[in-house]
Amino acid sequence: KQEVTQIPAALSVPEGENLVLNCSFTDSAIYNLQWFRQDPGKGLTSLLLIQSSQREQTSGRLNASLDKSSGRSTLYIAASQPGDSATYLCADGGNNAGNNRKLIWGLGTSLAVNP
Amino acid sequence: EAGVAQSPRYKIIEKRQSVAFWCNPISGHATLYWYQQILGQGPKLLIQFQNNGVVDDSQLPKDRFSAERLKGVDSTLKIQPAKLEDSAVYLCASGSSFTQYFGPGTRLTVL
Repeated sequence: KQEVTQIPAALSVPEGENLVLNCSFTDSAIYNLQWFRQDPGKGLTSLLLIQSSQREQTSGRLNASLDKSSGRSTLYIAASQPGDSATYLCADGGNNAGNNRKLIWGLGTSLAVNP
Repeated sequence: EAGVAQSPRYKIIEKRQSVAFWCNPISGHATLYWYQQILGQGPKLLIQFQNNGVVDDSQLPKDRFSAERLKGVDSTLKIQPAKLEDSAVYLCASGSSFTQYFGPGTRLTVL
C-alpha cells in the first residue's frame, strides 16, 4: 500500500521567515506529485504539480522540488506572510497513466505565520 | 474559467435523516470525483466518474451512500440515512489526467 507522510504536522513561524514543508512518499513509480493549500473549512487549491520527469516547479514565492530516488518532495515558501496561514497537503498522483488515477494524500502540515 | 461549484456550503441534520449534495464540474472535464474529508485527515475518495460511468467506488459505503452523474455533467451525492460519523467536508473535484480542481466543499454536521 502506497503512503504519503508529511512532517511536521504543525508549524508556527514569524512573518518574513523562509520555511520548508516536507512530504515523503513510498511510491517509487510516482507519476506526479501535487501540493495543495486548504483554508479552514474550505476546499482545496492546487499550488504546484511536479511531473515525475521534473525536479522542481516554481510559482511566485513557492518552490516545490521532487526527488524520486529518496521519495521526498519539499515545498519552500519564501518571505512568509500571515496570508500564507493554512494547511498544506501533498498528494502522490499515483502510477497509472490515464484517467483512472487515485490521489494518495498526506495528512497535511498546518502552518501559522504570525505577524 | 468558472471553477467547480458545490451546494449547499453547509448542512446540519440529525442522524437517520437524508441529505444530498450537488456538484457542477468545470466545463469540458470528463472526470468527476467525490471526496470525504474528516477533520484532521486527508481527503478520502468516495467515487470517481468518467463521463457518466463509475470508474472507482471501492470506498463508497454503498449501504447508505449513493451518487449519480446524469448526462456526464452535474453530479449528486446522497446519504441515507446519515450517521454521526458522516460529519465531514464533502469535496467535489473535476479534472484531467494530470490534475484535479476542487470545489469549495460542503460541510456536513450530523447531530
